[in-house]
Amino acid sequence: SAVISQKPSRDICQRGTSLTIQCQVDSQVTMMFWYRQQPGQSLTLIATANQGSEATYESGFVIDKFPISRPNLTFSTLTVSNMSPEDSSIYLCRVLGPGGGNTEAFFGQGTRLTVV
Amino acid sequence: GQQVMQIPQYQHVQEGEDFTTYCNSSTTLSNIQWYKQRPGGHPVFLIQLVKSGEVKKQKRLTFQFGEAKKNSSLHITATQTTDVGTYFCAGSSDSWGKLQFGAGTQVVVTP
Repeated sequence: SAVISQKPSRDICQRGTSLTIQCQVDSQVTMMFWYRQQPGQSLTLIATANQGSEATYESGFVIDKFPISRPNLTFSTLTVSNMSPEDSSIYLCRVLGPGGGNTEAFFGQGTRLTVV
Repeated sequence: GQQVMQIPQYQHVQEGEDFTTYCNSSTTLSNIQWYKQRPGGHPVFLIQLVKSGEVKKQKRLTFQFGEAKKNSSLHITATQTTDVGTYFCAGSSDSWGKLQFGAGTQVVVTP
């Protein structure tokens, strides 16, 4: 199984600032996704991180607010820009192995963000 | 768009009892996955179901995928305190792993 390192594990940020979250995998993966889990809620897909091209965003999420990079097959970043208290959530990266498609998937440990 | 609904939202169970959580999709799924999230933790993959009518067991956990591939269930027998957590189903309609998560069933076990 893939080993995923997500950093930071938690942070407290001032409103109006930005935070970049990193997701590093110990092996090449086909797909990388970013999710948000608001307090007491389920997981919502923010975007699919595409290697070498712009991410594919879900309805309600835009690149200006959540810029994503994926320079290679093992690394991706999600930035939460111009933060407000409503952005306080857990942000998780999820990866699919080289087999892609309908295969077991793995989540990072998550980044617990509090905006004050 | 695809919606995945999960019930119940909360489940209080006496230790030793059985319970079931249900998942329903508005569209036909290519596969459904189940995850468990402990308090303060991240979702951990439990299982994936792909075939119509499929049934899989993991010790005390039994997972089913409906014949129409639009619903699924997780049944836990003889609940233990280690079963505490939130169980999520997540369905995919494509072959590229994009999942739509249900709201989750939060399970509390009383000794």
